[in-house]
Amino acid sequence: KNEVEQSPQNLTAQEGEFITINCSYSVGISALHWLQQHPGGGIVSLFMLSSGKKKHGRLIATINIQEKHSSLHITASHPRDSAVYICAVGRYGGSQGNLIFGKGTKLSVKP
Amino acid sequence: ETGVTQTPRHLVMGMTNKKSLKCEQHLGHNAMYWYKQSAKKPLELMFVYNFKEQTENNSVPSRFSPECPNSSHLFLHLHTLQPEDSALYLCASSQAPPQFLYGYTFGSGTRLTVV
Repeated sequence: KNEVEQSPQNLTAQEGEFITINCSYSVGISALHWLQQHPGGGIVSLFMLSSGKKKHGRLIATINIQEKHSSLHITASHPRDSAVYICAVGRYGGSQGNLIFGKGTKLSVKP
Repeated sequence: ETGVTQTPRHLVMGMTNKKSLKCEQHLGHNAMYWYKQSAKKPLELMFVYNFKEQTENNSVPSRFSPECPNSSHLFLHLHTLQPEDSALYLCASSQAPPQFLYGYTFGSGTRLTVV
């Protein structure tokens, strides 16, 4: 079993829908990251958080440390949101850069 | 553009070739990283450099040789690779250690095919 599990693996939505992607992890962490990877391969860091909730535009990330769970929400989804969303955690006491990555959730938003 | 530039974007090389991947950032970051993303697998860390010094080698075969001449540039020298080394190679940078406001900044990657 992976130390970082994401669900769903694939998600298709209609433009305008509210989207939730989930991430569960099994290790103690110092921080959790949400990343966005476009078809060309480049990765954009969306959020880095260790508690509570962060919001940036239409994106919201939440984390529950006790339950070892995080969610990424996209409000009013748009076709340009189509990408792979990756959850990654920095293990507590782990070395810098040595993140544990989930396998990603492939999101497709249809017009 | 994220501020981390990788070249080339695509590379096809034979198993006997020697090639190099280049990564450059002018974000004022002092830590740089190489990650590998194979098909259907999660990203995995290869190397970490802090202030030009290698601080992590994640059991990477010696046919991959990193070089960090300064805090802005990172290279990955490749020689006698195997077809299973075909993957997307991603460079990233951050403050050392990464700050919550900025986290890691990734490049667009080099898609490597070994034939």
